[in-house]
Amino acid sequence: QQQVKQSPQSLIVQKGGISIINCAYENTAFDYFPWYQQFPGKGPALLIAIRPDVSEKKEGRFTISFNKSAKQFSLHIMDSQPGDSATYFCAAWDYGQNFVFGPGTRLSVLP
Amino acid sequence: ETGVTQSPTHLIKTRGQQVTLRCSSQSGHNTVSWYQQALGQGPQFIFQYYREEENGRGNFPPRFSGLQFPNYSSELNVNALELDDSALYLCASTPSRTRSTDTQYFGPGTRLTVL
Repeated sequence: QQQVKQSPQSLIVQKGGISIINCAYENTAFDYFPWYQQFPGKGPALLIAIRPDVSEKKEGRFTISFNKSAKQFSLHIMDSQPGDSATYFCAAWDYGQNFVFGPGTRLSVLP
Repeated sequence: ETGVTQSPTHLIKTRGQQVTLRCSSQSGHNTVSWYQQALGQGPQFIFQYYREEENGRGNFPPRFSGLQFPNYSSELNVNALELDDSALYLCASTPSRTRSTDTQYFGPGTRLTVL
């Protein structure tokens, strides 16, 4: 049962471009939305996170946009770099379920 | 400060066998969660242990079981292995019983292949 949908499945961006990954959820009990970055052979690492009472959060080149009414949120990576090439997972947290992850987006940034 | 470590790195088993995976949590963390990550998928929550007690469970059958030890390290045991159990098994630790804003620190995972 996929409670968090994520798109696209894969993304190719030129160096310096903007990468955008979108997620959607149904469960209104979710109250925390992190994004994780995973490199091959490594576990996921927290990148940035947002709570639903905030519409946008920015940390360096990474920005989360959150639309509570639409139950959607997205990750924007500005000035994408080859070192950003990884798989990105959105997630949502509901007490009792722990974290529910999206299926992931494989990002490739071309030099 | 040591990170989350897992052993073994890779494991090959045959259908019907039993397997034990191990996790050492990050120093100072008393809560450990286990996830199954199938190839090309996001991690799926198996269960969480807090101070040696199971503190939440995902949609996994009872043949997935766990333990947490007084030093907060943990084991994941899977009995009667099935082909679909082939996956990367991730362990994550947090400094306390998971609140939504606690950062989970993931280990590198154990790659289990069931033949």
